[in-house]
Amino acid sequence: VQLLESGGGLVQPGGSLRLSCAASGFTFSSYVLGWVRQAPGKGLDWVSCVGTTGSRTYYTDSVKGRFTISRDNSKNTLYLQMNSLRPEDTAIYYCAKGRGNNGGFDYWGQGTLVTVSS
Amino acid sequence: DIQMTQSPSSVSASVGDSVTITCRASQGITNWLAWYQQKPGKAPKLLIYAASSLESGVPSRFSGSGSGTDFTLAITSLQPEDFATYYCQQTDSFPLTFGGGTKVEIK
Repeated sequence: VQLLESGGGLVQPGGSLRLSCAASGFTFSSYVLGWVRQAPGKGLDWVSCVGTTGSRTYYTDSVKGRFTISRDNSKNTLYLQMNSLRPEDTAIYYCAKGRGNNGGFDYWGQGTLVTVSS
Repeated sequence: DIQMTQSPSSVSASVGDSVTITCRASQGITNWLAWYQQKPGKAPKLLIYAASSLESGVPSRFSGSGSGTDFTLAITSLQPEDFATYYCQQTDSFPLTFGGGTKVEIK
């Protein structure tokens, strides 16, 4: 199993970024996927999850209306569209694969750094 | 939202010691709890799921217990590679939430 994030970088407050997570080594369409972030020196913060077909999505309150999670099962890729970015969104963003049956996240990417600053 | 409270926030121990970390949920989550280990600069690693099930490849010196609101991660015979930060996560309902973390440091 491999998860490889891309798309991070430096963006000004109010700007947008789209993160991607390319997956391999498992049946992509069979698992819930998610994004978890970690601000510098801080703990883990769950951001969003998407169901197997992409029709069900879940978000933490602080990103609702600004972030959109999606997946393309034909491309084995997970996305996170981030709009109206704020300095407090600065973090390493990890994509993660659901273990199934409420079993947490069993595989994680290496993370991509998003810095929101003027 | 379900709040997860971990304690202690840090603990100092020596190689060979045993360590216990607790995690309390603000409401009952049955056994829907996961534990992760994170080392500096690395992604988290799943250790325990469903409160007490050991993830494949994880050494048996790690164990989890509890149900309802109170959970425990125990590490027996600490090894040098176990010094890290540990997080609990409730997987009962969205929004999923993590505890604040427990740093296990070398005494």
